[in-house]
Amino acid sequence: DTGVSQDPRHKITKRGQNVTFRCDPISEHNRLYWYRQTLGQGPEFLTYFQNEAQLEKSRLLSDRFSAERPKGSFSTLEIQRTEQGDSAMYLCASSLLVEAFFGQGTRLTVV
Amino acid sequence: EDKVVQSPLSLVVHEGDTVTLNCSYEVTNFRSLLWYKQEKKAPTFLFMLTSSGIEKKSGRLSSILDKKELFSILNITATQTGDSAVYLCAFTGANSKLTFGKGITLSVRP
Repeated sequence: DTGVSQDPRHKITKRGQNVTFRCDPISEHNRLYWYRQTLGQGPEFLTYFQNEAQLEKSRLLSDRFSAERPKGSFSTLEIQRTEQGDSAMYLCASSLLVEAFFGQGTRLTVV
Repeated sequence: EDKVVQSPLSLVVHEGDTVTLNCSYEVTNFRSLLWYKQEKKAPTFLFMLTSSGIEKKSGRLSSILDKKELFSILNITATQTGDSAVYLCAFTGANSKLTFGKGITLSVRP
């Protein structure tokens, strides 16, 4: 499968714990995006990378969220001290030109 | 601030009907507008439009962009139950970041 891969697919965590998600983009894609989606809403932009450089991070994103793409290939998104409001689907997408292709997402539930 | 507005928010039709989904935008340094379809999981790419007045078509789906009036429409003819999904409109500006609207929920009844 050469599509965008996300791991894990589901994560249940207790409030206050840290979680980390991984995204493996399509191999030749240089741009990688992270989005968060809740029920009834479109994907909300979190951050994006061109190769290993993080070009933009949403102003709405608290300091508890951090993302890396150390070698310009896979990326990780970490959420520290999770809160119930962090419960959502976390989507990763990659692109070479403009159109982005999405992974299946990681569904996070904070209890 | 750049924004995109989709309408209606939800729509219920019967199989065989034709539907038109709307997307209007306000974007500085607009580059492209994209349509995605989202069923249970991840959005899947449908169309990308950059030039005004040129229709993109794929089977029963078609889309067109009006850069003067700042909107795009997605048409689906002869709808089928498999067209039931959330349809997302997104734009890119100068920084190539994709920004999405809230989506239109389409339900096609048999």
